[in-house]
Amino acid sequence: AQSVSQHNHHVILSEAASLELGCNYSYGGTVNLFWYVQYPGQHLQLLLKYFSGDPLVKGIKGFEAEFIKSKFSFNLRKPSVQWSDTAEYFCAVTNFGNEKLTFGTGTRLTIIP
Amino acid sequence: DGGITQSPKYLFRKEGQNVTLSCEQNLNHDAMYWYRQDPGQGLRLIYYSQIVNDFQKGDIAEGYSVSREKKESFPLTVTSAQKNPTAFYLCASRTGGVGNTEAFFGQGTRLTVV
Repeated sequence: AQSVSQHNHHVILSEAASLELGCNYSYGGTVNLFWYVQYPGQHLQLLLKYFSGDPLVKGIKGFEAEFIKSKFSFNLRKPSVQWSDTAEYFCAVTNFGNEKLTFGTGTRLTIIP
Repeated sequence: DGGITQSPKYLFRKEGQNVTLSCEQNLNHDAMYWYRQDPGQGLRLIYYSQIVNDFQKGDIAEGYSVSREKKESFPLTVTSAQKNPTAFYLCASRTGGVGNTEAFFGQGTRLTVV
């Protein structure tokens, strides 16, 4: 069965610190991977996605993620966070040929000014 | 304006009553989804539909039902069999046929059962 694990439930960082949020998925076939962000009071929006090619993908607002197939991971990174990055971050996966879109439990990120 | 509309934003119902949440999209998307968002549990998939007149159970379908009679609409019924229905419900849609497209979300419906 398809599943996503996000082990960091709540991360607290100071501004300018580097960020890495973990995401692991269970499905062994061809996958499409996504990171979404939910700012307080707003809709979920896409940060970045991976479906093929270069395993290092860049998204909006300076975020990037690396797909490591051997580790079933798709960790999200940002070299220097800002207070405005305070939000909840969700990793998600679909399988090739199947529309089922599964999300992880989310990571709440709090940035201290 | 293209997008996904969920209505109402807040909904109150008495225990034992069925309630239907509306989700409409004008993005011409084939695939539609219903999620339940609870604190600390992320988004859990209730049902999804890849095409009109077809839908599949997600991970927590018990106590819920859906229909997909029109491409634009994917209503969710929370039945009296759902043991813990008070939650925030999100509807989403995306282009079907390929798995790598972005999902777009509605603003959500907060259901409170008393």
